[in-house]
Amino acid sequence: DAKTTQPPSMDCAEGRAANLPCNHSTISGNEYVYWYRQIHSQGPQYIIHGLKNNETNEMASLIITEDRKSSTLILPHATLRDTAVYYCIARGAYSNYQLIWGAGTKLIIKP
Amino acid sequence: SAVISQKPSRDICQRGTSLTIQCQVDSQVTMMFWYRQQPGQSLTLIATANQGSEATYESGFVIDKFPISRPNLTFSTLTVSNMSPEDSSIYLCSVDRENTGELFFGEGSRLTVL
Repeated sequence: DAKTTQPPSMDCAEGRAANLPCNHSTISGNEYVYWYRQIHSQGPQYIIHGLKNNETNEMASLIITEDRKSSTLILPHATLRDTAVYYCIARGAYSNYQLIWGAGTKLIIKP
Repeated sequence: SAVISQKPSRDICQRGTSLTIQCQVDSQVTMMFWYRQQPGQSLTLIATANQGSEATYESGFVIDKFPISRPNLTFSTLTVSNMSPEDSSIYLCSVDRENTGELFFGEGSRLTVL
C-alpha cells in the first residue's frame, strides 16, 4: 500500500469549506484513496473513498487529481463537530487490512 | 453502517495481570479486526479474526501476548496478557461489513496499566 503524507494540522472557520490535502505520489493503479476521521475519544469513522473519479456523499467530497498523486477532502460547510483528526489512506482493493495509518491532519474548526 | 459494542470502555489494570476485551457486532461479519492506538499515535493493526480459524497476527504481535477468540460471526474477544505500562493504549475492534474496505469501528477500550 502506498504511503500518504498530510499536513499535521489545519484550522478552518466554522461555516467555511475545509479543504484537507493528501499526497500519495507512489499510489498504484489499483489502490483506492480512503478517508477516515477520528473525533476525540471515539473510534475512527469512515468518510469517503475513491479510485479515479471525484466522489461526493452526504459528508464530504473527494477530489483526486488526474495523475492520482494527490487528493483533497472537502467538508463543504464545516461545523465545530468536524474538529477531528483526518486520515488519508491508500489501499489496494484486494490487499489485507494492514492499512497504513499515518499521523493524519488535526483539523480544528474555529467559531 | 454497523453497530459495534466494546466492553469495557475503559479500565485501569495492574502490571502482570490480563484483561479481555469483548466486541459485539449487530450483524454477521466474516472478518473482524483488532487495532491498537497508543497515546498520541495512529492506529496499528494487531490481528484479523476469522470465525472458525486461527487469527492472523501482524508483525510485532504474537498470540501468546494477544490471544483472540472468534466463537461466532458476531462476536470476538482480545486478551491483553501479562500487561505492562507499555500496553496502555486504546484497543479498537473493527469490521468491514460489506467487504468494501469501508471499516466500521467500535468506540474503543481505553486501557491504562499501572
